[in-house]
Amino acid sequence: DAGVIQSPRHEVTEMGQEVTLRCKPISGHNSLFWYRQTMMRGLELLIYFNNNVPIDDSGMPEDRFSAKMPNASFSTLKIQPSEPRDSAVYFCASTVLLGYSPLHFGNGTRLTVT
Amino acid sequence: AQSVTQLDSHVSVSEGTPVLLRCNYSSSYSPSLFWYVQHPNKGLQLLLKYTSAATLVKGINGFEAEFKKSETSFHLTKPSAHMSDAAEYFCVVSDNNDMRFGAGTRLTVKP
Repeated sequence: DAGVIQSPRHEVTEMGQEVTLRCKPISGHNSLFWYRQTMMRGLELLIYFNNNVPIDDSGMPEDRFSAKMPNASFSTLKIQPSEPRDSAVYFCASTVLLGYSPLHFGNGTRLTVT
Repeated sequence: AQSVTQLDSHVSVSEGTPVLLRCNYSSSYSPSLFWYVQHPNKGLQLLLKYTSAATLVKGINGFEAEFKKSETSFHLTKPSAHMSDAAEYFCVVSDNNDMRFGAGTRLTVKP
């Protein structure tokens, strides 16, 4: 089992550019989460999917953020246009049974927007 | 609605002494509870989980936690701290279709 795979590990971009973060959940897991972590705000839930359907996107900061899950094995988080305050570590996590099973986290993508 | 409160944002212990990280929760259902550890520049790793079986749960690296329904607590303990235990620890409550993370407790281990 390769675990949750995120790419890229690091992303440095200039303000105004589009950024796309990618996540491959563990095979067989049907819930997927995107989190953002910063020193100031800690760990924040951005959005989660169940069976590829977005269930709760109330944590998405603003319209510049969008997330998709076109199939059970792939999800993207896009920021367009990016801003310096988006700099953070973005984590993807998946679980087989929400409410009972633990989350399995990827190693994160460290995003720096200059 | 459910919530989780980690009572200490920072705990400092000496190597070889016991560790206690406190967590209280509220939930309308019978929750599942988890502790995660995050080392610097790493993702979150599951330490242990409670899912309505034995109330005393043993996890990795010598950690354990006890579910106390009457106190709505799920404190994390370890008899003897090691330098490698220095990290951020998160308590999580999960039920129905909701999962909530505590704000985290940073554990510092002094030599």
